[in-house]
Order: sequence, then C-alpha cells, then structure tokens
Amino acid sequence: GQNIDQPTEMTATEGAIVQINCTYQTSGFNGLFWYQQHAGEAPTFLSYNVLDGLEEKGRFSSFLSRSKGYSYLLLKELQMKDSASYLCAGVDSNYQLIWGAGTKLIIKP
Amino acid sequence: GAVVSQHPSRVICKSGTSVKIECRSLDFQATTMFWYRQFPKQSLMLMATSNEGSKATYEQGVEKDKFLINHASLTLSTLTVTSAHPEDSSFYICSARGLLSSYEQYFGPGTRLTVT
Repeated sequence: GQNIDQPTEMTATEGAIVQINCTYQTSGFNGLFWYQQHAGEAPTFLSYNVLDGLEEKGRFSSFLSRSKGYSYLLLKELQMKDSASYLCAGVDSNYQLIWGAGTKLIIKP
Repeated sequence: GAVVSQHPSRVICKSGTSVKIECRSLDFQATTMFWYRQFPKQSLMLMATSNEGSKATYEQGVEKDKFLINHASLTLSTLTVTSAHPEDSSFYICSARGLLSSYEQYFGPGTRLTVT
C-alpha cells in the first residue's frame, strides 16, 4: 500500500531551526511536495523535489533521498507566522498526490 | 499566475437542502481538478478527481450520488452537496492541475460549509 508518515506535532522556539521529517512508500515515485497550511486556510506550495539532494529557498529548504524513501523540510530563523501545519505529499506512478496527515508546528516565543 | 478561486467562501444551509460550490482556474486551463474535504484538526481527504469532459472518479467511501461533481470546462468545476446533513459540515477545498504544470496542484481558498 501507499503511505506517507510524518510526525503529528512539533514545537520549536522563535529564531531557532526545525526539521520536519517525512517517509514515504508509493507505487512508483514522481517526486515529493511540501505544502504549508495555516488554520482555516487552503494549503500553499512550498517545494517540490524529484532528485536527491537539498533545495534551498530562503528560510526554507527541502531534502530528498529516494533510496531511503525520506524527505525533510528545514525551517530556519523561525518566526511566529511559521506556526502552521506542514503537509508532505508524494507523487505516485499515476501522478496522483498521496498526502501525509500533516505536522502541526507550534512556535513559542 | 496559477490562481484558483472558490465560491462561496462560507455557506450555511439547512439540513436537507443542496449546496453548490464552484471552483475556477482564473489564469490557466485546468485539465484535472480535485475536491478535498477537511475536518477540524485533520488532514486533507481526497473526495474525487475530475477531468474536463468526463465523469469524476470518486474515492472509496465517497457517495457519488450525494457529492455531484461537474467539470464542464477547462476552467470550472462544481461540487454539489445534495440533501446536506450536519455531518457534511466541513471545509471543502478544490485544487487544479494544468496542462503544462508539473504534478503540482494549485489550491483554491476553500469553502466552509455549515449545515444546521
């Protein structure tokens, strides 16, 4: 079966760094997305990885290891507005997104 | 670019009535649109996938006669919740994927449905 695993909740301090992990099992693999979702709002795109390695985009970076079925989202210089849920989604062989349950990130001052 | 709108953003209806939610891709042609439902503090749950001009594909456990989906054009898909009940109260989100996009889905802002 297909499965995306990520922690349910994480807490971090303003100004710090946090890494949100995601492991995936999909039938075929065509990349992995990270989305951010604030409470009561729709998800917004953060990153897409299809090749191994780290992609940096400002304060956010995303890493992929296809051999390990593993990805992480790295958030630096955390701000209070980063408090949100972070959704990991793998793309399977039918180009469908398989969604994780999301990681709720709580930022404390 | 890649903007998706949804209308209405909030709707309150009485039990037994039907509600239609519209999803539009404003600046691109959406060959595929997706409808999700999200209950409080839970993740997105895919309800159905619709391709323009063809019948929607519903996920297991989603009643196709209750959640009517129409994708009549490359820029518009509608979801009609028929004979709504309080347990249908949820956040409904559509997303769209275009001809030239990667597998990224562009999300609408969502519709909060409350059935009283």
